[in-house]
Amino acid sequence: DQQVKQNSPSLSVQEGRISILNCDYTNSMFDYFLWYKKYPAEGPTFLISISSIKDKNEDGRFTVFLNKSAKHLSLHIVPSQPGDSAVYFCAATNQGAQKLVFGQGTRLTINP
Amino acid sequence: NAGVTQTPKFQVLKTGQSMTLQCAQDMNHEYMSWYRQDPGMGLRLIHYSVGAGITDQGEVPNGYNVSRSTTEDFPLRLLSAAPSQTSVYFCASSYDTVYEKLFFGSGTQLSVL
Repeated sequence: DQQVKQNSPSLSVQEGRISILNCDYTNSMFDYFLWYKKYPAEGPTFLISISSIKDKNEDGRFTVFLNKSAKHLSLHIVPSQPGDSAVYFCAATNQGAQKLVFGQGTRLTINP
Repeated sequence: NAGVTQTPKFQVLKTGQSMTLQCAQDMNHEYMSWYRQDPGMGLRLIHYSVGAGITDQGEVPNGYNVSRSTTEDFPLRLLSAAPSQTSVYFCASSYDTVYEKLFFGSGTQLSVL
C-alpha cells in the first residue's frame, strides 16, 4: 500500500515558468513532509520541508504548500531554471516513527 | 569533510552469493538508514539505526542484515543474493531523527544475475 503517491512520473516545463509538483498521502498520522531532489548518479539532496502545523513554507524559488484536509502537498518552483531538471521525491513521517516514507518520484525537465 | 561514503559504487553478483555494502559517515550522526531505489517504486527503507548498537527494520528488510557497532559505520549485508535484489542502494544519515534532513551517499548499483 503506497502511503505517499506522486501520480505524475514526469513533467516538462519551459524555462522561466512555474513548475508544480504534486504529492498525495493516505496516512493521517503524518505530521512532517519533505522534498528531496536527485540528479543522475548522485544521492538525493534535501530541498525543503513543512510541518503539519503550517500550510506554506518558502525558501527562495521553492515553496511547499500543504493541504491537510485533502492530504495533498505541492512544490512550486518559480522561476524554473535548467538546473532544476532532476527527479523530485516527496517524503513523509510522523512523531516517533523514525522512518521516512517516499513517493515514487517525478522527473522534472526544464526546457530552454 | 567526506559526508556519507558508500562502497562499492557498482557490483555484480551471482544468485546465492553474499556481500556487504559499506556505508560510513564522518558527521557524528546518530541516525543512519539504508534505502533501495527501484523504477516506479521510489525509495524504500530497508533498515535503520538510531545509534550504535540499535537497529530496526524498515519496509523491505527481508534478505538483508545490518549491524551498528560504531557511530560512523552502518554496513548492509546481503545474505544470499537474489535477482529481486537488483537495485540501487542508498545509505543516508542525519544528526538525530528523520525530522532533520537526511544526507545521502552517492549510491551502489547492484546487479544480481
